[in-house]
Amino acid sequence: EAQVTQNPRYLITVTGKKLTVTCSQNMNHEYMSWYRQDPGLGLRQIYYSMNVEVTDKGDVPEGYKVSRKEKRNFPLILESPSPNQTSLYFCASQGDYTGELFFGEGSRLTVL
Amino acid sequence: AQSVTQLDSQVPVFEEAPVELRCNYSSSVSVYLFWYVQYPNQGLQLLLKYLSGSTLVKGINGFEAEFNKSQTSFHLRKPSVHISDTAEYFCAVSELSWGKLQFGAGTQVVVTP
Repeated sequence: EAQVTQNPRYLITVTGKKLTVTCSQNMNHEYMSWYRQDPGLGLRQIYYSMNVEVTDKGDVPEGYKVSRKEKRNFPLILESPSPNQTSLYFCASQGDYTGELFFGEGSRLTVL
Repeated sequence: AQSVTQLDSQVPVFEEAPVELRCNYSSSVSVYLFWYVQYPNQGLQLLLKYLSGSTLVKGINGFEAEFNKSQTSFHLRKPSVHISDTAEYFCAVSELSWGKLQFGAGTQVVVTP
């Protein structure tokens, strides 16, 4: 089954404690991205990756890092989380140039 | 740069009634247009998309949308909703390139008996 898998689905952490949200896709897609979803703001892109070792900032990259060492994986790293990063995070992959995205089920992060 | 405006943040509707969700966009180039649906506690899934050709696009679950270039709109409609259509709906725009899908703020549809 074609899917995008994120882990963890739920996480509560404290300010400053580094964390990583993993994302993996099995569709051999070159393009992957991370979004955060906040009430009234829709989805905003954090980072995206066009291929292995190629990443770029989206609209709200501050406080986040990413890496793309393998085609299937695109982890999101919060080096020093802060409460304003409390949000619902989605990983997505894209298989062609038309912009259609395939989403993971989301990771709800709370930073205390 | 592209932007997307969903004109209604919440739309209450009775079961079996029609519903229309409004979406306007701005862009200086040609665009691809999408509607995604998010059911409670789930990720987003594609409802329908406009790439080119016929301006009336049919999607899954009985939804359809009409692209109006002169009004820069892409409104979503369903003639008769079910309780299971309760969800949040997102309009999105892509400007002919990878990695730049812009989402609207979302419209919450609540269907009641």
